Amino acid sequence: TQLLEQSPQFLSIQEGENLTVYCNSSSVFSSLQWYRQEPGEGPVLLVTVVTGGEVKKLKRLTFQFGDARKDSSLHITAAQPGDTGLYLCAGDDAGGTSYGKLTFGQGTILTVHP
Amino acid sequence: NAGVTQTPKFQVLKTGQSMTLQCAQDMNHEYMSWYRQDPGMGLRLIHYSVGAGITDQGEVPNGYNVSRSTTEDFPLRLLSAAPSQTSVYFCASSSYRGRETEAFFGQGTRLTVV
Repeated sequence: TQLLEQSPQFLSIQEGENLTVYCNSSSVFSSLQWYRQEPGEGPVLLVTVVTGGEVKKLKRLTFQFGDARKDSSLHITAAQPGDTGLYLCAGDDAGGTSYGKLTFGQGTILTVHP
Repeated sequence: NAGVTQTPKFQVLKTGQSMTLQCAQDMNHEYMSWYRQDPGMGLRLIHYSVGAGITDQGEVPNGYNVSRSTTEDFPLRLLSAAPSQTSVYFCASSSYRGRETEAFFGQGTRLTVV
């Protein structure tokens, strides 16, 4: 069974601060995804990283995939109250018939105070 | 532009009752999955399907059944509800482009078993 350890579980910061969320595993993943979830809604995909060492940017969000494809990080620069939500990492082992099977981290609840 | 539609949104069951959670997608995706979300545990895979007529167990399949008679529909059946099945249930359908997965989630069904 593949496991993804996500940290921290809770993050409470002031508007304008920077933050990083980590996602670590002892397993190799074909790709790793980051989702954001609002209360009462399903997760919505932010980004997918597939190549070891890959860095993707989405406005103030920077996503990195580890060289060995076992870990990832999400960095938010100058956080805003609108960034508040639950952030989830998910690993995908697309080898064989594993399509659609995602292994999720426990999630990080981010609260950004004005 | 429906995407993934789940019904019902809320449900209260008595211990021992059975019910079916409905999930339908209109994106012609082959891959569909059911997850449950519990506090501090992220999303855990219950069952998944890689196409009509093909299903398999995920991480936490006990107490649940699925079938996939069409590409569009993937219902989840609770055979005899137990309080441990109190959770939020999400259905997802997935597209694949090379090694990149994108999972689209429904809005969830909040189930309480008393």
